[in-house]
Amino acid sequence: KNQVEQSPQSLIILEGKNCTLQCNYTVSPFSNLRWYKQDTGRGPVSLTIMTFSENTKSNGRYTATLDADTKQSSLHITASQLSDSASYICVVGATTTTDSWGKLQFGAGTQVVVTP
Amino acid sequence: DAGITQSPRHKVTETGTPVTLRCHQTENHRYMYWYRQDPGHGLRLIHYSYGVKDTDKGEVSDGYSVSRSKTEDFLLTLESATSSQTSVYFCAIREGAGQFFGPGTRLTVL
Repeated sequence: KNQVEQSPQSLIILEGKNCTLQCNYTVSPFSNLRWYKQDTGRGPVSLTIMTFSENTKSNGRYTATLDADTKQSSLHITASQLSDSASYICVVGATTTTDSWGKLQFGAGTQVVVTP
Repeated sequence: DAGITQSPRHKVTETGTPVTLRCHQTENHRYMYWYRQDPGHGLRLIHYSYGVKDTDKGEVSDGYSVSRSKTEDFLLTLESATSSQTSVYFCAIREGAGQFFGPGTRLTVL
């Protein structure tokens, strides 16, 4: 069973509107949580990285939140643009004894389509 | 793109043939990774390397082998390709707290 679940699977939003994507995880012990943007036909690109002590981080119009107690994260896109059409992937790192960076578990992604 | 290239970008092959995918980086990164990405699944780690000739298995390593004889190149080999290995393969490097991905290789096994 995937330890990182994302919802919704896909959504369509009008240009200029806001949207929020959800990520629930069971990965333990938690090390870090990342959000990536993946354009069609390209590799994922990092948007934000949060550790246990951080509960929000922004990157331009993207704002990620983290609730480590409930093991939930969200990615909020403000004033969407056509270029925001992409898959958004939640990635959670588990602390290991041999690698401080953590073993990464990837969600399946949320496909966002922004329409004019 | 952190100086990462993958070759080939597209390949069609037949079941039972050997296939080698190449990942090349130009910035002397120590850690390199191979993932596969399939519809409905998150990226899954195949193998990774933490230095020249230092490699380890990921969660879906069966049917794959890797080699890293020099820092800049990380090779992924399918000894005898199967249809279940049809996928998009991504190479990645680690830089600080970040991970940077290559453009991907789309492999089709008929």
